[in-house]
Amino acid sequence: DIQMTQSPSSLSASVGDRVIITCQASQDINNYLNWYQQKPGMAPKLLIYDASNLEAGVPSRFSGSGSGTDFTFTISSLQPEDIATYYCQQYENLPITFGQGTRLEIK
Amino acid sequence: EVQLLESGGDLVQPGGSLRLSCAASGLTFSNYAMTWVRQAPGKGLEWVAGISGSGGSTYYADSVKGRFIISRDNSKNTLFLQMSSLRAEDTAVYYCAKLYSSSWSLIWLDPWGQGTLVTVSS
Repeated sequence: DIQMTQSPSSLSASVGDRVIITCQASQDINNYLNWYQQKPGMAPKLLIYDASNLEAGVPSRFSGSGSGTDFTFTISSLQPEDIATYYCQQYENLPITFGQGTRLEIK
Repeated sequence: EVQLLESGGDLVQPGGSLRLSCAASGLTFSNYAMTWVRQAPGKGLEWVAGISGSGGSTYYADSVKGRFIISRDNSKNTLFLQMSSLRAEDTAVYYCAKLYSSSWSLIWLDPWGQGTLVTVSS
């Protein structure tokens, strides 16, 4: 199985800050990497697909980059409504695997 | 707007069985592959099973292979997960989610249902 390692596991930042989350795959996954946002008590929501493509309707402050084994998810200017846990997910190989999540809090 | 609504979650004893359903609306259901993902209390996301749009291809995580069966009824726009030989470690919220196309290729999960809770305990 492909292991996905997210960093950090938790993060506290101020409104307006630039936030960066990384995701490292245990082997080359090309660009088959998605990012999801899960707010407390809610289902996950797709934000970014294939490493860098913004899902329709998602604010442009969210972005993704990377290829191969190393990926980055960025919030350019943190907003209060961005409080959530963020997950990366690979689909290069079955089983589909997720990172352990990054819990984002407001300072 | 695509909507997915899970049901069937319950408290069940170890070794028992349960069938989850996911009713879909706002889409041509057979045009999309579907999947189940679960989340144990306070934990991360774990992929469980997937099925192509036609139902002809199915995929399972090793942790559920031989115990769970994913299926769909395209005439009723409904996805199922038949769960048997349940264990305490199967306790989780189970989400259904739609893939981008009918084939098991572009595995972008969107949208997700609200989830249904399965508790395995004596």
